[in-house]
Amino acid sequence: GESVGLHLPTLSVQEGDNSIINCAYSNSASDYFIWYKQESGKGPQFIIDIRSNMDKRQGQRVTVLLNKTVKHLSLQIAATQPGDSAVYFCAENLLSGYSTLTFGKGTMLLVSP
Amino acid sequence: DTAVSQTPKYLVTQMGNDKSIKCEQNLGHDTMYWYKQDSKKFLKIMFSYNNKELIINETVPNRFSPKSPDKAHLNLHINSLELGDSAVYFCASSNVQGAEQYFGPGTRLTVT
Repeated sequence: GESVGLHLPTLSVQEGDNSIINCAYSNSASDYFIWYKQESGKGPQFIIDIRSNMDKRQGQRVTVLLNKTVKHLSLQIAATQPGDSAVYFCAENLLSGYSTLTFGKGTMLLVSP
Repeated sequence: DTAVSQTPKYLVTQMGNDKSIKCEQNLGHDTMYWYKQDSKKFLKIMFSYNNKELIINETVPNRFSPKSPDKAHLNLHINSLELGDSAVYFCASSNVQGAEQYFGPGTRLTVT
């Protein structure tokens, strides 16, 4: 297995709890944000996105909140399950022009049964 | 049906060697990317190609040379491998530059 998780901020929760993962983004001009989930040994998977003209978006068991004033993004996971254990990344971008996603540092979520 | 595939999944080689990683996407996307993920899980963009043309090169050493024979493929060739090249390399694609990206499973490169 990998030991790199020791370097990451880690959130430990019990199964059934609600989880909140936070992210501070860097560019006040960014207008598009994505949350990705990366399970061990796999590539990042899209969870949910939000544009800067919104402050909240809901998916299945997940909610993303955007606070542009303080450049803060959060991912809320309802009724967390062991299968939610993974590293979560936020990413930001400017949709205009030739730019690409800039990823945050990642947070490891550990869900105990 | 694998959307973004990479080969090989693991690559162990010695310093100074030259190696290639291949990537293919069957999503019909116009844009493809290479990322490097270090031991601290930090994901950093290396290259972005749009319709076979290089769009973004994020100050990657010129030992790294991407090649896109068609818009469904983006390969990464690395010359004179160094210890610091050890990482997981991810290929990704999107239908719009910078929008939602679909990632491959990664290639773990270990240079000894």
